[in-house]
Amino acid sequence: AQTVTQSQPEMSVQEAETVTLSCTYDTSESDYYLFWYKQPPSRQMILVIRQEAYKQQNATENRFSVNFQKAAKSFSLKISDSQLGDAAMYFCAYRSGDGGSQGNLIFGKGTKLSVKP
Amino acid sequence: ETGVTQTPRHLVMGMTNKKSLKCEQHLGHNAMYWYKQSAKKPLELMFVYSLEERVENNSVPSRFSPECPNSSHLFLHLHTLQPEDSALYLCASSQAGLGLHNSPLHFGNGTRLTVT
Repeated sequence: AQTVTQSQPEMSVQEAETVTLSCTYDTSESDYYLFWYKQPPSRQMILVIRQEAYKQQNATENRFSVNFQKAAKSFSLKISDSQLGDAAMYFCAYRSGDGGSQGNLIFGKGTKLSVKP
Repeated sequence: ETGVTQTPRHLVMGMTNKKSLKCEQHLGHNAMYWYKQSAKKPLELMFVYSLEERVENNSVPSRFSPECPNSSHLFLHLHTLQPEDSALYLCASSQAGLGLHNSPLHFGNGTRLTVT
């Protein structure tokens, strides 16, 4: 079974600085997808960024980028120029690339990010 | 407007009550999910309806009963719950099918359930 581990329960960053959130996963599959979701106090889970395992190039979305290390099974999220609105819980998630998983996401426990003004 | 709407936003119920959670998606997706989010634990998948096929998680107690009358609506019927069932229940939808495994899940705002 696949597992996702986020080893940092809480992180803090100064506004305008850069922070990296860690995520590792365990799988025997070669085809899969990785996601980072953000959950602000409004409770809605919002997709931040996604990565296909077959792509070597790291995904980027504006101030958000990932460092995908397939051999190490690591998928960290870097937030540049942190803003107060970035404060939230961040969840790393894994989705199998086969057809039998019904599209289910497997989540880590999350990292609570605080942004200091 | 989130695209995925859940009602009610908050629910307090006694252990002998029967209640239902409702989820509606306006995104044209064909897969819908119920997740349970408890403090200090990863989100747990409860049920999936994908391409009209129900996938059941065998660890979910029978006091939780899903219903998916069509691809846009999903319900979670609750009866004789326990205090440990108190949690945030999140509904999500996605587009399922071949070649769509990178299609993200879109979540609602959740129902905060408290069982007294």
